[in-house]
Amino acid sequence: DAKTTQPTSMDCAEGRAANLPCNHSTISGNEYVYWYRQIHSQGPQYIIHGLKNNETNEMASLIITEDRKSSTLILPHATLRDTAVYYCIVCHPVPNAGGTSYGKLTFGQGTILTVHP
Amino acid sequence: DTEVTQTPKHLVMGMTNKKSLKCEQHMGHRAMYWYKQKAKKPPELMFVYSYEKLSINESVPSRFSPECPNSSLLNLHLHALQPEDSALYLCASSHRITRQINTEAFFGQGTRLTVV
Repeated sequence: DAKTTQPTSMDCAEGRAANLPCNHSTISGNEYVYWYRQIHSQGPQYIIHGLKNNETNEMASLIITEDRKSSTLILPHATLRDTAVYYCIVCHPVPNAGGTSYGKLTFGQGTILTVHP
Repeated sequence: DTEVTQTPKHLVMGMTNKKSLKCEQHMGHRAMYWYKQKAKKPPELMFVYSYEKLSINESVPSRFSPECPNSSLLNLHLHALQPEDSALYLCASSHRITRQINTEAFFGQGTRLTVV
């Protein structure tokens, strides 16, 4: 399964964009990049995922390089409530019987994002 | 309903006790997962059930025994645990994925287990 590398911690001013990088140089062609975050003592919360195209939803944008070896999560206007641990995960498809698959999420160490006033 | 519900939220148990953690989802997901998270560490995968069958066991000690009685429920039976097993236990569920569709996993809020 592909591994990910993220900075241990980052700071961001409230209202500014937070750009969180992730390296996944051993990613395979059928593996997706997922981002989750975890606020203290809660379960991980899904943010966004992508394969090779850039993606945007109501929470964030995901920029994936053309070679797919790295990606950046962008929180466009960070708030204090965005302070959390952000995990970049390469989702490995595991085949089921019957031709279906499910995604195996293996968490890396994550980035502690602190948004300050 | 996009919730994964875990009970209890907190559990304190002695090393000779037997207890169970429960997880429930009603999203029609056929893959369910148990993760263990120690303080200040990322979640670690323990077990994966797919279509109610155990698909992955990440070399977890036998004092942890998972069970999937139906497509909505996932249990984790605990017996003869050690203090170092104290952790946040997280349950998750997801749809199957295809080449065209890759969906997210939903996590519960976890059970914080303390072994004394």
